[in-house]
Parts: sequence; structure tokens; C-alpha cells
Amino acid sequence: DSGVTQTPKHLITATGQRVTLRCSPRSGDLSVYWYQQSLDQGLQFLIQYYNGEERAKGNILERFSAQQFPDLHSELNLSSLELGDSALYFCASSERPDSTDTQYFGPGTRLTVL
Amino acid sequence: DQQVKQNSPSLSVQEGRISILNCDYTNSMFDYFLWYKKYPAEGPTFLISISSIKDKNEDGRFTVFLNKSAKHLSLHIVPSQPGDSAVYFCAASKSNFGNEKLTFGTGTRLTIIP
Repeated sequence: DSGVTQTPKHLITATGQRVTLRCSPRSGDLSVYWYQQSLDQGLQFLIQYYNGEERAKGNILERFSAQQFPDLHSELNLSSLELGDSALYFCASSERPDSTDTQYFGPGTRLTVL
Repeated sequence: DQQVKQNSPSLSVQEGRISILNCDYTNSMFDYFLWYKKYPAEGPTFLISISSIKDKNEDGRFTVFLNKSAKHLSLHIVPSQPGDSAVYFCAASKSNFGNEKLTFGTGTRLTIIP
């Protein structure tokens, strides 16, 4: 158990809908990362927050947005969903914001868009 | 553009033998490299890392080798055990401030045959 929790575990929805994925980092970790893993793909970095502020942005679509709240949990909002958004979405956390600090991953949310 | 490549999607190794997983990268600015291990229905877990100032890092049965001139790294597991069966991802980053994101490869599924 990494100490990072993600809800829900599974999500099935229809095209055009909007969903929110939630992540609670490990106790004491200030940095939260979101990754997308599509079929047969590596993990694609989406976005990073550190202590409530956006820190780094990857290949995140404009239809997607995220935020980190004062209690340090984070939410990833996906809107106008398309079939291609079906993927595993992982959240990770670390104490420091730099890449040399170990990132601890949650178990992921599997999103299926029908 | 896949900057981190794991060209072998799968690998089978006899228990007790050495497992060698390979990873190539194209971005010469990468200076920090990591290996993550992933079991089904779990998030990736950190295994071992190496900075570009080194060419080898060892942790128990796991050793990572870095060949900067060839832009190649490898993970050696010896002896291989059944519990090592998992998907292994290599990842790379530029560790200077402001470039903290990890770029992952597509993974290699390692199966240890008892």
C-alpha cells in the first residue's frame, strides 16, 4: 500500500459526459502528479501540483483540468468525454516537487467511455 | 515522439537466472533515470534510480546500468524470482529546476518461469 488513495476505482460513462477523479496523497506529501495510461502506452504525464499551485504541465487536453485543494487532495476533471479518453488514470505524490524525489502511485482509476 | 523506448514488450526468464530489461532514450538532456515495477490492479512502485553522474547503481538483486554515449540503460535482476513477474517501466527526467516531469517508456512485461 503506497498510502496514495484514488476514487473511484472504476468509472463507466458515456461520450460527452463529465467526470471527476479524486486523489489523496500520502501524509506529508505536498506534490501531486496525474498520469494517463492508455492501452499499450506508457504513462503520459498530465499535470503536477505542488502545495496548491500548478507546477508543471504535460500533454493535458484543454477538456481536462485539475486542482489541488488546501487539504492537499487533488481532483482531475475530464469533460466532453470521447471514446479515446478511456484509460487508466494514476495519481502519484511526493514530498518534494523535483523529479529526483520518489513518486508514490495510487492504484489508479479505470475510466471507460462508451 | 517517444523519447523513452522499451522495445521489448515482453520477456520470459527461468527462475534463478538473470533478467535483463532494456531501455533507450533520445533526449540527451535527460539526466535522471528510474525503474518502476507494476503488478496488475496496482499502481507502479519505485524500484531503483540512477543519476547521469554514475554508470551503475545497485540495490540488492537489482542493478541499473547507464551508458550515456549510447543513450541506453538496463535493469539487471539476479537471481530472478517468481515475485519479479510484473510490468517494468523505465522513466527519465531532466532534474534541473522547472523540468520535473517524468517521461515513461511503454513497459516490458517480465514473466519468471518456475
